[in-house]
Formats: sequence, C-alpha cells, structure tokens
Amino acid sequence: QLQLQESGPGLVKPSETLSLRCTVSGGSISSSNHYWGWIRQPAGEGLEWIGSILHSGSTYYNPSLMSRVTMSVDTSENQFSLKLSSVTAADTAVYYCARHETLHYYYMDVWGKGTTVTVSS
Amino acid sequence: QTVVTQEPSFSVSPGGTVTLTCGLTSGSVSTRYYPSWYQQTPGQGPRTLIYSTNTRSSGVPDRFSGSILGNKAALTITGAQADDESDYYCVLYMGSDIWVFGGGTKLTVL
Repeated sequence: QLQLQESGPGLVKPSETLSLRCTVSGGSISSSNHYWGWIRQPAGEGLEWIGSILHSGSTYYNPSLMSRVTMSVDTSENQFSLKLSSVTAADTAVYYCARHETLHYYYMDVWGKGTTVTVSS
Repeated sequence: QTVVTQEPSFSVSPGGTVTLTCGLTSGSVSTRYYPSWYQQTPGQGPRTLIYSTNTRSSGVPDRFSGSILGNKAALTITGAQADDESDYYCVLYMGSDIWVFGGGTKLTVL
C-alpha cells in the first residue's frame, strides 16, 4: 500500500526558505502515470494546490506561488521536495504531499498526513 | 483569473439528501475538468471521495455520488449520517498540469 510521509522543520523564520520532503513508500516515485505534489492549508482556511513534479523532474506550479516555489525529485531515495522562499506569516500552514493520478483521471489519490509549518521569528 | 466556487456552508438533517456544487466564476464545469471531491474532518488530512466526475474512490460508501448538474459539478450525499459532518472540497483539473481547489463547503448534519 502506497504511503506518503512529509518531513521537515516545523518552524521557519520570516524571509527564509521553507524546505519539506515527502518520502514515498510501498511504491515507486518513477511511475509515469503519476505526478507528485504539494498542497497546503492555513489554519481555518481551505486547501491550496502548490504544485507538482514528475519523476523526470518536470515541474508544474500554481501561478500565484510560482516565483517562490521550487520542487525537486530524488528517485534514488524515492523522495520529492518542496522549497518555498521568502516566507512570511501567510505561509504558515499544514503542508500535505499527495500523489496525482494523471493517466486517465487527474486527481489526488494518495495523501500524506500533513506537517505543520509555522513562520515566526 | 478563474476561481472555483463552492457554497461556504450547508446543513442537512440526518437521513436527508444534500447536493454540494462546484462551479467556475467564468464558464461551465464539464467532465473535461475531471472534477474530484475530497472530505476533510477537523484535524485530519483530506480523503478522496469522488474522481473523474462520478467515480467513487475505493471504500467510499455509495451514499456519495458525483455528477454534473447544469454548469457545475455536484456531490450528492443520500441518507446523510452524523459522521458525514465535514468539510468538502472540489478540485478541477484546468489543463496544462494545473489543479485548482474550491474554497470548500462546511457541511453540518443536524
């Protein structure tokens, strides 16, 4: 059974770079039928799609975050990562990683449990 | 910029039927947007309910169904139960490998 697990610092200072990692277990990140993505949710607010990455390294970002987002993939470790630069308090949120099915149906089919990131000095 | 719209809140009586919708500020939702629906209870991560308009994810009870109603995607819960009280999010695939979430609907069962 495929599982995703987010990891990374829970506290980031303003203006610094948020870095998170998602480890995939029970399956390969090198699937051609799936993208691997990040979604976030500020406390009390809705979900926001941040972006996704293919095992080849091709990336697709939310236009509203594109200038600050970088995603990467490490197929040898079965992991993918998110970097968000120049963070502010508005970036405080629960960050989820999720597998995106892209062969036929274009949806998020497997989710991580999420990790909370707080931006504060 | 096109925004995905959902009702902010809805209530349903136990055993009742409720239909939540997912629209666009510009244009109509069709199957080509591959609408999907996710349930989220407080403190938990999202759970996939429906994908590609009307296909239930594994283990999802058949009281949940998806459709296109008019110019919107719709999630219908038939015979609502107390543990259906959750936030529900729709997601539309906008093409060019971009997905957009709706703002979510808080469903109360009372």
